[in-house]
Amino acid sequence: GDSVTQMEGPVTLSEEAFLTINCTYTATGYPSLFWYVQYPGEGLQLLLKATKADDKGSNKGFEATYRKETTSFHLEKGSVQVSDSAVYFCALSENTGAQKLVFGQGTRLTINP
Amino acid sequence: NAGVTQTPKFQVLKTGQSMTLQCAQDMNHNSMYWYRQDPGMGLRLIYYSASEGTTDKGEVPNGYNVSRLNKREFSLRLESAAPSQTSVYFCASIPTEGLAGPRAQYFGPGTRLLVL
Repeated sequence: GDSVTQMEGPVTLSEEAFLTINCTYTATGYPSLFWYVQYPGEGLQLLLKATKADDKGSNKGFEATYRKETTSFHLEKGSVQVSDSAVYFCALSENTGAQKLVFGQGTRLTINP
Repeated sequence: NAGVTQTPKFQVLKTGQSMTLQCAQDMNHNSMYWYRQDPGMGLRLIYYSASEGTTDKGEVPNGYNVSRLNKREFSLRLESAAPSQTSVYFCASIPTEGLAGPRAQYFGPGTRLLVL
């Protein structure tokens, strides 16, 4: 079945550092890809998404590009802030039917001032 | 709009007790989902309902039942709670089919369940 593998955490960075969180996937079809973020004590919020190869999703300074050749969707941000501290989940879903999400295990990010 | 709401926020149960987790959405979404979140395992799908009147099993359905009461509400029931069901439970919904582009799921704030 479909699966998502994320970079192991936790990740700790200093403010203004460059961030990369790796995500790779396996899927039988051509899924949509998502990054969700979970702030402490809250539910998941959509951060960005991409629907086809070479699409770039972006939001709040975060970016991720759908790479079909490497089956990857790595999350990047050029200069992180303390407020970016959260757990980040990579996920995929098929574009038809029930659109069930398959999640990676999550990466906890802590940004120190 | 309140979005996706869940009750209760936190619950402690003893092994063997039963309880129902409630979820409601006010966005007129057709599809609704129940996930559980465990450390190091991301979120795993328990059950989902593609439309009112239908429910289907997800990846980890054992020990759970669901009811899609109407378009707004989708409840999750534990008939005989076990310590392995200690987890954080999230409900989610998705906009109606027919909209262009990938449809992201909207999540509730979660219910933290502890089974002793």
